[in-house]
Amino acid sequence: GAGVSQTPSNKVTEKGKYVELRCDPISGHTALYWYRQSLGQGPEFLIYFQGTGAADDSGLPNDRFFAVRPEGSVSTLKIQRTERGDSAVYLCASSQTGENTEAFFGQGTRLTVV
Amino acid sequence: AQSVTQLGSHVSVSEGALVLLRCNYSSSVPPYLFWYVQYPNQGLQLLLKYTSAATLVKGINGFEAEFKKSETSFHLTKPSAHMSDAAEYFCAVSDKGTGGSYIPTFGRGTSLIVHP
Repeated sequence: GAGVSQTPSNKVTEKGKYVELRCDPISGHTALYWYRQSLGQGPEFLIYFQGTGAADDSGLPNDRFFAVRPEGSVSTLKIQRTERGDSAVYLCASSQTGENTEAFFGQGTRLTVV
Repeated sequence: AQSVTQLGSHVSVSEGALVLLRCNYSSSVPPYLFWYVQYPNQGLQLLLKYTSAATLVKGINGFEAEFKKSETSFHLTKPSAHMSDAAEYFCAVSDKGTGGSYIPTFGRGTSLIVHP
């Protein structure tokens, strides 16, 4: 596709449920990032993939959060036993590999845990 | 580890007035610097980035930013604000983290309000 695509655009789930958020990056981009953005805050880094491997997962808040990118393209962010504090907009971005490359962002998935 | 400080969560200007959005960074090495804009209900879009080729960087929509190493700043400016500039603006810094990867770190953002 022309840009980074994230699905669903909105997700409402009950506390304690499991959710999956999908990111389809720009074709050919080997780098993929997940960020979380709470209201009134900047994007907070979660995890970074280079190809299929998670090169840096230091931003994942706890072991309820996990992400995969099995074929080096589409990525899925998985959240187990959701809590109300997980409510936020989850942003995905992709870029070419390099030191000063621009990250292209999707429109995000707004997750609401009730 | 790098960090970004954006002074002022909200900046209000009149249409036609100068826009100045402040960004200071903390990095142990010369970083890569970016400004992104986020319009309501849209994703982040790159306005401009510092490439070390020139300290004054020109971006889209008439915005520019000046890299000042001595002040560790990368402030965003536009000579004349338009109503369509109303949005959230984020400064980001990227340098090599502990994992060896270049990952952008974002500031809290500044909301630009433009009055008619």
